[in-house]
Amino acid sequence: RKEVEQDPGPFNVPEGATVAFNCTYSNSASQSFFWYRQDCRKEPKLLMSVYSSGNEDGRFTAQLNRASQYISLLIRDSKLSDSATYLCVFNSGNTPLVFGKGTRLSVIA
Amino acid sequence: EADIYQTPRYLVIGTGKKITLECSQTMGHDKMYWYQQDPGMELHLIHYSYGVNSTEKGDLSSESTVSRIRTEHFPLTLESARPSHTSQYLCASQGLLGTDTQYFGPGTRLTVL
Repeated sequence: RKEVEQDPGPFNVPEGATVAFNCTYSNSASQSFFWYRQDCRKEPKLLMSVYSSGNEDGRFTAQLNRASQYISLLIRDSKLSDSATYLCVFNSGNTPLVFGKGTRLSVIA
Repeated sequence: EADIYQTPRYLVIGTGKKITLECSQTMGHDKMYWYQQDPGMELHLIHYSYGVNSTEKGDLSSESTVSRIRTEHFPLTLESARPSHTSQYLCASQGLLGTDTQYFGPGTRLTVL
């Protein structure tokens, strides 16, 4: 089983739609979880950290399910500017962050 | 905005040339990383450092080398560039805690002819 698995997409959704991405991880010792966003031909940037109790930042909600070893990202009321690749990221102790391959989202007018 | 810089942003060079990609950060971060990423593809970790005089190879085998003589500076060198080295190279830095945000530089887009 790969360390981290994400559906590569692309997810093509209309403006205003709600879209959710899941990401599964294999290392049960993983401690910290993040979602990064990468625009085309740009560097990745932190979107949000994922906390055990779940957390929300505006239209974005992140959840962690340790029992099933996955994290999720929910985007409500999608905007054209949300079009990007979303990277699932985690780390285990003092090792480099593990990045997923990313899920591509296209929000269509 | 993150205080991490990469130069040059774009480089087109002939086969066999020696090149050094520069990366500097002013956040005092101990951890620094180099990634290679082809367009539309995943990130591959090629080198990382957790402090001065400490460097490790990443998951992807690379012919490049790195050095970490100063905390803020983490250059990557290719002794003899080849067309297969054509890619985007992204530098990143992070604080000591696993929960600290990892910040990326804008990248160097390298083309070897």
